[in-house]
Amino acid sequence: DGGITQSPKYLFRKEGQNVTLSCEQNLNHDAMYWYRQDPGQGLRLIYYSQIVNDFQKGDIAEGYSVSREKKESFPLTVTSAQKNPTAFYLCASSIQSGQGNQPQHFGDGTRLSIL
Amino acid sequence: GENVEQHPSTLSVQEGDSAVIKCTYSDSASNYFPWYKQELGKRPQLIIDIRSNVGEKKDQRIAVTLNKTAKHFSLHITETQPEDSAVYFCASRGNSGGYQKVTFGTGTKLQVIP
Repeated sequence: DGGITQSPKYLFRKEGQNVTLSCEQNLNHDAMYWYRQDPGQGLRLIYYSQIVNDFQKGDIAEGYSVSREKKESFPLTVTSAQKNPTAFYLCASSIQSGQGNQPQHFGDGTRLSIL
Repeated sequence: GENVEQHPSTLSVQEGDSAVIKCTYSDSASNYFPWYKQELGKRPQLIIDIRSNVGEKKDQRIAVTLNKTAKHFSLHITETQPEDSAVYFCASRGNSGGYQKVTFGTGTKLQVIP
Protein backbone atom coordinates (compact mmCIF):
# COMPACT_ATOMS: atom_id res chain seq x y z
CA ASP A 1 0.00 0.00 0.00
CA GLY A 2 1.31 3.46 -0.86
CA GLY A 3 0.31 4.65 2.60
CA ILE A 4 3.04 2.76 4.47
CA THR A 5 6.67 3.56 3.78
CA GLN A 6 9.55 1.50 5.10
CA SER A 7 13.17 2.53 4.78
CA PRO A 8 15.76 1.58 3.95
CA LYS A 9 14.94 -1.28 1.56
CA TYR A 10 18.25 -2.98 2.38
CA LEU A 11 20.30 -2.61 5.55
CA PHE A 12 23.54 -4.11 6.74
CA ARG A 13 24.57 -4.45 10.37
CA LYS A 14 28.03 -4.78 11.76
CA GLU A 15 28.89 -6.78 14.83
CA GLY A 16 27.78 -5.01 18.03
CA GLN A 17 25.88 -2.32 16.18
CA ASN A 18 22.33 -1.16 16.71
CA VAL A 19 20.34 -0.33 13.59
CA THR A 20 16.97 1.38 13.22
CA LEU A 21 14.34 0.54 10.64
CA SER A 22 11.89 3.27 9.74
CA CYS A 23 8.13 2.87 9.26
CA GLU A 24 5.84 5.78 8.40
CA GLN A 25 2.14 5.67 7.52
CA ASN A 26 -0.26 8.34 6.31
CA LEU A 27 -3.41 6.22 6.59
CA ASN A 28 -4.38 7.72 9.94
CA HIS A 29 -4.27 4.23 11.45
CA ASP A 30 -4.04 3.90 15.20
CA ALA A 31 -2.44 0.48 15.33
CA MET A 32 1.00 -0.38 13.98
CA TYR A 33 2.97 -3.62 13.98
CA TRP A 34 6.41 -5.03 13.27
CA TYR A 35 6.85 -8.56 11.91
CA ARG A 36 9.89 -10.61 11.14
CA GLN A 37 9.76 -12.99 8.18
CA ASP A 38 12.12 -15.93 7.85
CA PRO A 39 11.90 -18.59 5.14
CA GLY A 40 9.34 -21.26 5.99
CA GLN A 41 8.23 -19.55 9.21
CA GLY A 42 5.61 -17.10 8.08
CA LEU A 43 5.30 -13.76 9.85
CA ARG A 44 6.15 -13.50 13.52
CA LEU A 45 5.09 -10.52 15.61
CA ILE A 46 7.90 -8.50 17.23
CA TYR A 47 6.09 -5.49 18.70
CA TYR A 48 2.78 -3.74 18.26
CA SER A 49 1.31 -0.41 19.24
CA GLN A 50 -2.37 0.40 19.53
CA ILE A 51 -2.01 4.12 20.32
CA VAL A 52 0.66 6.79 20.56
CA ASN A 53 3.09 6.43 23.46
CA ASP A 54 2.05 2.84 24.06
CA PHE A 55 3.44 -0.42 22.70
CA GLN A 56 3.49 -4.08 23.67
CA LYS A 57 5.83 -7.00 23.10
CA GLY A 58 4.88 -9.58 20.56
CA ASP A 59 6.06 -13.17 20.33
CA ILE A 60 9.74 -12.50 19.58
CA ALA A 61 10.57 -9.11 21.16
CA GLU A 62 13.96 -10.04 22.63
CA GLY A 63 16.77 -8.03 21.05
CA TYR A 64 14.40 -5.42 19.62
CA SER A 65 13.04 -2.08 20.80
CA VAL A 66 10.45 0.36 19.46
CA SER A 67 9.01 3.80 20.11
CA ARG A 68 5.70 5.41 19.19
CA GLU A 69 6.07 9.14 19.71
CA LYS A 70 3.88 10.03 16.75
CA LYS A 71 0.83 8.36 15.28
CA GLU A 72 2.46 8.14 11.85
CA SER A 73 5.77 6.64 12.93
CA PHE A 74 6.80 3.34 14.54
CA PRO A 75 10.58 2.80 14.23
CA LEU A 76 12.15 -0.53 15.13
CA THR A 77 15.66 -0.79 16.55
CA VAL A 78 17.50 -4.06 16.15
CA THR A 79 19.99 -4.11 19.00
CA SER A 80 23.28 -5.95 19.33
CA ALA A 81 21.48 -8.33 21.67
CA GLN A 82 19.63 -9.80 18.70
CA LYS A 83 22.11 -12.48 17.67
CA ASN A 84 20.38 -13.59 14.49
CA PRO A 85 18.99 -10.42 12.92
CA THR A 86 19.18 -11.49 9.28
CA ALA A 87 15.58 -11.45 8.05
CA PHE A 88 12.94 -9.56 6.13
CA TYR A 89 11.18 -7.05 8.38
CA LEU A 90 7.64 -5.95 7.64
CA CYS A 91 5.77 -3.06 9.18
CA ALA A 92 1.98 -2.99 9.10
CA SER A 93 -0.85 -0.79 10.27
CA SER A 94 -4.57 -1.09 10.76
CA ILE A 95 -7.53 0.81 12.06
CA GLN A 96 -7.58 0.50 15.84
CA SER A 97 -7.30 -3.19 16.50
CA GLY A 98 -10.21 -3.31 18.93
CA GLN A 99 -12.73 -2.00 16.42
CA GLY A 100 -14.09 -4.92 14.53
CA ASN A 101 -12.20 -7.01 12.06
CA GLN A 102 -10.00 -4.75 10.02
CA PRO A 103 -7.21 -5.99 7.77
CA GLN A 104 -3.60 -5.02 8.18
CA HIS A 105 -1.84 -3.06 5.46
CA PHE A 106 1.84 -3.78 4.93
CA GLY A 107 4.88 -1.79 3.87
CA ASP A 108 7.40 -3.03 1.28
CA GLY A 109 9.77 -4.36 3.92
CA THR A 110 13.41 -3.95 4.90
CA ARG A 111 15.89 -6.73 4.31
CA LEU A 112 18.51 -6.76 7.06
CA SER A 113 21.79 -8.64 6.72
CA ILE A 114 24.89 -9.02 8.86
CA LEU A 115 28.22 -7.85 7.48
CA GLY B 1 -2.18 -18.72 22.42
CA GLU B 2 -3.52 -19.19 18.91
CA ASN B 3 -1.84 -21.71 16.62
CA VAL B 4 -2.43 -21.65 12.87
CA GLU B 5 -1.33 -24.55 10.69
CA GLN B 6 -1.23 -24.23 6.92
CA HIS B 7 -0.95 -26.95 4.25
CA PRO B 8 0.57 -27.67 1.86
CA SER B 9 3.83 -25.75 2.08
CA THR B 10 4.28 -25.96 -1.70
CA LEU B 11 1.75 -26.52 -4.43
CA SER B 12 2.22 -26.87 -8.19
CA VAL B 13 -0.74 -26.82 -10.55
CA GLN B 14 -1.21 -26.61 -14.28
CA GLU B 15 -2.57 -23.37 -15.64
CA GLY B 16 -6.35 -23.51 -15.65
CA ASP B 17 -6.58 -26.02 -12.81
CA SER B 18 -7.82 -25.22 -9.33
CA ALA B 19 -5.66 -24.74 -6.23
CA VAL B 20 -6.75 -25.30 -2.64
CA ILE B 21 -4.87 -24.22 0.47
CA LYS B 22 -6.05 -25.29 3.91
CA CYS B 23 -5.56 -23.83 7.36
CA THR B 24 -6.59 -24.87 10.84
CA TYR B 25 -6.69 -22.75 13.95
CA SER B 26 -6.84 -23.56 17.63
CA ASP B 27 -8.63 -20.66 19.34
CA SER B 28 -12.39 -21.04 19.07
CA ALA B 29 -12.75 -17.32 19.87
CA SER B 30 -10.98 -16.31 16.64
CA ASN B 31 -13.42 -14.34 14.53
CA TYR B 32 -11.65 -12.99 11.46
CA PHE B 33 -9.64 -14.84 8.83
CA PRO B 34 -7.72 -12.91 6.16
CA TRP B 35 -5.67 -14.35 3.31
CA TYR B 36 -2.60 -12.57 1.96
CA LYS B 37 -0.67 -13.01 -1.28
CA GLN B 38 3.04 -12.19 -1.30
CA GLU B 39 5.06 -12.04 -4.47
CA LEU B 40 8.81 -12.49 -4.23
CA GLY B 41 10.45 -9.63 -2.33
CA LYS B 42 7.22 -7.69 -2.04
CA ARG B 43 4.70 -6.86 0.65
CA PRO B 44 1.86 -9.21 1.59
CA GLN B 45 -1.40 -8.00 0.09
CA LEU B 46 -4.86 -8.86 1.31
CA ILE B 47 -6.75 -10.86 -1.32
CA ILE B 48 -9.84 -11.97 0.58
CA ASP B 49 -11.09 -12.24 4.13
CA ILE B 50 -13.96 -13.89 5.95
CA ARG B 51 -15.64 -13.22 9.25
CA SER B 52 -16.83 -15.85 11.67
CA ASN B 53 -20.52 -15.27 10.97
CA VAL B 54 -20.10 -16.27 7.32
CA GLY B 55 -19.43 -19.73 5.89
CA GLU B 56 -18.23 -18.80 2.43
CA LYS B 57 -17.14 -15.76 0.49
CA LYS B 58 -16.28 -15.44 -3.18
CA ASP B 59 -14.52 -12.80 -5.25
CA GLN B 60 -14.19 -13.69 -8.93
CA ARG B 61 -11.78 -16.66 -9.11
CA ILE B 62 -11.02 -16.66 -5.39
CA ALA B 63 -13.19 -18.12 -2.65
CA VAL B 64 -12.73 -18.82 1.03
CA THR B 65 -14.71 -21.27 3.15
CA LEU B 66 -14.88 -21.40 6.92
CA ASN B 67 -15.94 -24.32 9.12
CA LYS B 68 -16.11 -22.95 12.68
CA THR B 69 -17.01 -26.28 14.20
CA ALA B 70 -13.94 -27.96 12.79
CA LYS B 71 -11.87 -24.79 13.12
CA HIS B 72 -10.56 -24.80 9.61
CA PHE B 73 -10.75 -22.52 6.61
CA SER B 74 -9.62 -22.88 3.03
CA LEU B 75 -8.65 -20.76 0.05
CA HIS B 76 -9.82 -21.87 -3.37
CA ILE B 77 -8.42 -20.43 -6.58
CA THR B 78 -10.11 -21.53 -9.79
CA GLU B 79 -8.85 -21.23 -13.37
CA THR B 80 -5.33 -20.53 -12.13
CA GLN B 81 -3.07 -18.25 -14.12
CA PRO B 82 0.74 -17.81 -14.06
CA GLU B 83 0.32 -14.49 -12.23
CA ASP B 84 -1.27 -16.39 -9.35
CA SER B 85 2.19 -17.79 -8.58
CA ALA B 86 3.19 -16.42 -5.17
CA VAL B 87 3.29 -17.32 -1.49
CA TYR B 88 -0.10 -17.31 0.21
CA PHE B 89 -0.57 -16.82 3.94
CA CYS B 90 -3.65 -17.51 5.98
CA ALA B 91 -4.20 -15.78 9.30
CA SER B 92 -6.63 -15.75 12.15
CA ARG B 93 -7.50 -12.91 14.47
CA GLY B 94 -8.77 -13.24 18.01
CA ASN B 95 -8.49 -11.72 21.44
CA SER B 96 -5.21 -11.92 23.32
CA GLY B 97 -5.39 -9.98 26.57
CA GLY B 98 -7.70 -7.34 25.09
CA TYR B 99 -5.70 -7.04 21.88
CA GLN B 100 -6.96 -8.39 18.57
CA LYS B 101 -3.88 -10.41 17.70
CA VAL B 102 -3.28 -11.77 14.21
CA THR B 103 -1.52 -15.12 13.93
CA PHE B 104 -0.17 -16.16 10.54
CA GLY B 105 0.27 -19.56 8.98
CA THR B 106 3.66 -20.55 7.62
CA GLY B 107 2.73 -19.93 3.99
CA THR B 108 2.10 -21.93 0.82
CA LYS B 109 4.25 -21.39 -2.23
CA LEU B 110 1.99 -21.77 -5.25
CA GLN B 111 3.48 -22.37 -8.67
CA VAL B 112 1.21 -22.24 -11.69
CA ILE B 113 2.80 -24.01 -14.63
CA PRO B 114 1.92 -22.51 -18.04
